[in-house]
Amino acid sequence: QVQLVESGGGVVQPGRSLRLSCAASGFTFSTYGMHWVRQAPGKGLEWVAVISYDGDYESYRGSVKGRFTISRDNSKNTLFLQMNSLTAEDTAVYYCAKSGDFNYFDHWGQGTLVTVSS
Amino acid sequence: EIVMTQSPATLSVSPGGGATLSCRASHSISRNLAWYQQKPGQAPRLLIYGASTRATGIPARFSGSGSGTEFTLTISSLQSEDFAVYFCQHYNNWPPYAFGQGTKVEIK
Repeated sequence: QVQLVESGGGVVQPGRSLRLSCAASGFTFSTYGMHWVRQAPGKGLEWVAVISYDGDYESYRGSVKGRFTISRDNSKNTLFLQMNSLTAEDTAVYYCAKSGDFNYFDHWGQGTLVTVSS
Repeated sequence: EIVMTQSPATLSVSPGGGATLSCRASHSISRNLAWYQQKPGQAPRLLIYGASTRATGIPARFSGSGSGTEFTLTISSLQSEDFAVYFCQHYNNWPPYAFGQGTKVEIK
């Protein structure tokens, strides 16, 4: 069965960096687009970034463009999110999600909490 | 950017009753709409994609309809496990793929 396991969250000071990982199993990772979606405490869902199956295409929400980088290693079935210049507004649970046939999210990880605080 | 608006924010329903949740897109998204269910402390779960296709393992009491800018998620005969927050999401053409703000279905 499909499994997505995020790691790398934690408490970080404003302006610092953090790198999230998502280990995928149970499907052919190299043939699906992947996303990061976040949820601030007590708030709704917010799409963050997408990467194509081969890594050739990336897109980001405006508020993270230029600060976050999504990448993947298909040889290791792993998705990444490099987050730089973090602010308090980036505090959230970050989920990795697998694309379905189109860009809806048919499987989700359990999430990893990122807290940006001094 | 396409903005998704859900209504109502909260819906109070008795167990065994029915619920109708609405989602409106600011521009036409054809049928490129998904619905998710989220319970406290859990990741969201895909319920519906393509506006009306149930995801694998989703009970038939969940149904979706609509196209263009107006969409509906209907839950018939609510079970205890259905009380949760429901989000719609568009995936029309290019990002950003916006979510609605959510509808909480609570026990009446």
